Amino acid sequence: DAMVIQNPRYQVTQFGKPVTLSCSQTLNHNVMYWYQQKSSQAPKLLFHYYDKDFNNEADTPDNFQSRRPNTSFCFLDIRSPGLGDAAMYLCATSRGGGVPTDTQYFGPGTRLTVL
Amino acid sequence: GNSVTQMEGPVTLSEEAFLTINCTYTATGYPSLFWYVQYPGEGLQLLLKATKADDKGSNKGFEATYRKETTSFHLEKGSVQVSDSAVYFCALSDNSGGSNYKLTFGKGTLLTVNP
Repeated sequence: DAMVIQNPRYQVTQFGKPVTLSCSQTLNHNVMYWYQQKSSQAPKLLFHYYDKDFNNEADTPDNFQSRRPNTSFCFLDIRSPGLGDAAMYLCATSRGGGVPTDTQYFGPGTRLTVL
Repeated sequence: GNSVTQMEGPVTLSEEAFLTINCTYTATGYPSLFWYVQYPGEGLQLLLKATKADDKGSNKGFEATYRKETTSFHLEKGSVQVSDSAVYFCALSDNSGGSNYKLTFGKGTLLTVNP
């Protein structure tokens, strides 16, 4: 089945130690998104790629970076995780193309713990 | 700007009860509307969507109708099951311009269904 895959599902890192989260998709979608979701809150968009074009949200901290080496893969890099970065990180994809029916499909998420 | 307001939870029901989760929105353009469901420890799954006024989205016994006159997209199910216990997010995407559609989420409503 076509899907959005995130690895790992659970990630533990130490305060200040860089960490990379991975997302891949078999939907061949143009757009890939990264969201941060803290406990009992709605997902918060960090940034997205339309093909190779990177779009950062204005309030996304510089500590968060992203890479999209090809259509299928997108990475979230947290350069120096703090305790406040512990959260669920959700990857999503959509076809894009400017149509009202465009729909975001989410992966299962990576739960990040910062010790 | 765009915003989504959904009823505060938590909502606790007995199995086979009728469910309504209210959702209203404010949008500058003509949005598409979505309900996503998040089961414990999982990512978001698209439950249903509607892209124009009077459209009814439906899936797994859940329904919601896009009401432009009342700017609402209330989620309903005639008979809930224990397996419906989850957090439900109402969301909109702004179709007013551009090729990428940022999702604006409500805060989520936790539903617990007891046997």
